[in-house]
Amino acid sequence: GQQLNQSPQSMFIQEGEDVSMNCTSSSIFNTWLWYKQEPGEGPVLLIALYKAGELTSNGRLTAQFGITRKDSFLNISASIPSDVGIYFCAGQLGSNTGKLIFGQGTTLQVKP
Amino acid sequence: NAGVTQTPKFRVLKTGQSMTLLCAQDMNHEYMYWYRQDPGMGLRLIHYSVGEGTTAKGEVPDGYNVSRLKKQNFLLGLESAAPSQTSVYFCASTDLLGSRGAYGYTFGSGTRLTVV
Repeated sequence: GQQLNQSPQSMFIQEGEDVSMNCTSSSIFNTWLWYKQEPGEGPVLLIALYKAGELTSNGRLTAQFGITRKDSFLNISASIPSDVGIYFCAGQLGSNTGKLIFGQGTTLQVKP
Repeated sequence: NAGVTQTPKFRVLKTGQSMTLLCAQDMNHEYMYWYRQDPGMGLRLIHYSVGEGTTAKGEVPDGYNVSRLKKQNFLLGLESAAPSQTSVYFCASTDLLGSRGAYGYTFGSGTRLTVV
């Protein structure tokens, strides 16, 4: 089946640093989504992207929908300890079922 | 407004036992999903439903069954649990928002299942 390749798998950074992670696929997606999961909780939607080339921000987070529609990236600027968690990308292929395909996740740790 | 509620939160089963995981949403969403999360593998779709009375297979359906008798509830059943089904199970729901089709799932907080 379709797969999303998310990288890096994990990051350990210093507070204040910027972070970048990305997802690539061999399939074309109509929608890209970025989620954050904190320990013991379900993922929470951070940013949704609907159009190729779209660049969207949510506070210190910025995400872009790749021009080829096969990739997306998420940047976090000036990281803080509460940014710790697992970040997932997800793509939606265009069916009317709402099914999403998720990347493997990027685990982010921030050292104060 | 509770959103998506999953019960139970934790469970330990012996191999061969059966159980049902319950997902309830109070947002009147049409679409509901069951995912499993395993380390390094992200979230994989088990089964889903696009409306009351409908169900369909996802990416990893073997060993699981589902039912959606009421719009607000989506049940996931394990008939004969196996150690390979040890995982964290997440339920999610969504509704299509106009032409943009947000697909922004609302997730439950998960059920951690261990099969010994």
